[in-house]
Amino acid sequence: GAGVSQSPSNKVTEKGKDVELRCDPISGHTALYWYRQSLGQGLEFLIYFQGNSAPDKSGLPSDRFSAERTGGSVSTLTIQRTQQEDSAVYLCASSLDFNSNQPQHFGDGTRLSIL
Amino acid sequence: AQSVTQPDIHITVSEGASLELRCNYSYGATPYLFWYVQSPGQGLQLLLKYFSGDTLVQGIKGFEAEFKRSQSSFNLRKPSVHWSDAAEYFCAVGPPSGGYNKLIFGAGTRLAVHP
Repeated sequence: GAGVSQSPSNKVTEKGKDVELRCDPISGHTALYWYRQSLGQGLEFLIYFQGNSAPDKSGLPSDRFSAERTGGSVSTLTIQRTQQEDSAVYLCASSLDFNSNQPQHFGDGTRLSIL
Repeated sequence: AQSVTQPDIHITVSEGASLELRCNYSYGATPYLFWYVQSPGQGLQLLLKYFSGDTLVQGIKGFEAEFKRSQSSFNLRKPSVHWSDAAEYFCAVGPPSGGYNKLIFGAGTRLAVHP
């Protein structure tokens, strides 16, 4: 039954390595969102998907960040050549569709630490 | 520039005391307004939202918020705080046309509750 599931819950990696973060949304939710939460800050929008397409990638901070969604379900956020400033909690959310009248459901996040 | 300000980074209250968390915004038009709560190690949960109509909005867990257009504020209140309310609270604003990708979040207020 589930809610939005994110894995791993914690990831520690060395600077320069690539990382993949996974989000499994609520079944039937067509909209999926990625956010970044840095220490002491609010959420920063990264990208959202409606189905498998990403109409808005404007929040991705650099070309090292990419995301995909296949089958209208699971999404992966990939960060290449990680930098220390990438350390943050990455949150995923899903909603029934892309409409603010539909509530978003958040996962518990992946805490990423870059050494 | 569009922004959300939560003036209080940390607030400590005694259990049973009343609570008010402040939120001020700068936005071109009357936005959609949201309050979220984040417990440690978890994602965000929507407490309440304001789109239009009655400026006093009731939410979950006994919270309410009042939209004051003249003050550009959307303060969150609870008459009697419970220990389980200890968490971080985020105010967010978005365009009247909707779209979670356009939400702007405040930096959050961390609430501690003394027994």
